[in-house]
Amino acid sequence: DIQMTQSPSSLSASVGDRVTITCRASQSISKYFNWYQQKPGKAPKLLIYATSTLQSGVPSRFSGSGSGTDFTLTISSLQPEDFATYYCQQTYSTPHTFGQGTKLEIK
Amino acid sequence: EVQLLESGGGLVQPGGSLRLSCAASGFTFSSYAMSWVRQAPGKGLEWVSALSSSGDNTYYVDSVKGRFTIFRDNSKNTLYLQMNSLRAEDTALYYCAKDSAKVATIGTFDIWGQGTMVTVSS
Repeated sequence: DIQMTQSPSSLSASVGDRVTITCRASQSISKYFNWYQQKPGKAPKLLIYATSTLQSGVPSRFSGSGSGTDFTLTISSLQPEDFATYYCQQTYSTPHTFGQGTKLEIK
Repeated sequence: EVQLLESGGGLVQPGGSLRLSCAASGFTFSSYAMSWVRQAPGKGLEWVSALSSSGDNTYYVDSVKGRFTIFRDNSKNTLYLQMNSLRAEDTALYYCAKDSAKVATIGTFDIWGQGTMVTVSS
């Protein structure tokens, strides 16, 4: 199985900050990679698929990049509603494993 | 409105069985692959199982192979997860998720239900 490792596990930031979350796959997954956002008590929400394509309705302050084994999620200017937990996921092969999550908290 | 509504969770003893259901509405259910993803209390997401739109192709994480069965009834717009020989480590909130691609699963989930809680305990 492909292991996905996110860093950091938690992050404190302020409204307006630029934030980057990284995810590393245990083997090359090309661009078969997604990011999800989950708020407390809610289901996950697809943010970015195929590494860099924004899901419909997702603000343009979110962006994704990478290929192979290393991927990043960038939020250009944090908004209050962005404080949540973010998960990466590989879709290269089943099981479609997720990273352990990055909890983004208000500083 | 596109919606997924899970049901069937509850408290079950180790070794017991449960069947989860996921009722879909607002889209052509029979055209899309579907999956189950679970989340243990306070933990991250774990992909569990996927099923093609026809039901012919199934996929499982190793930890549930031979114990869980995913299937669907396209005439009822419903996805199921039959869970047998349940263990304490199966305790989790189980989400039903719609694949963004038609026919075969690509593992990208654009619609999620709210989840149904399964607790395995004596």
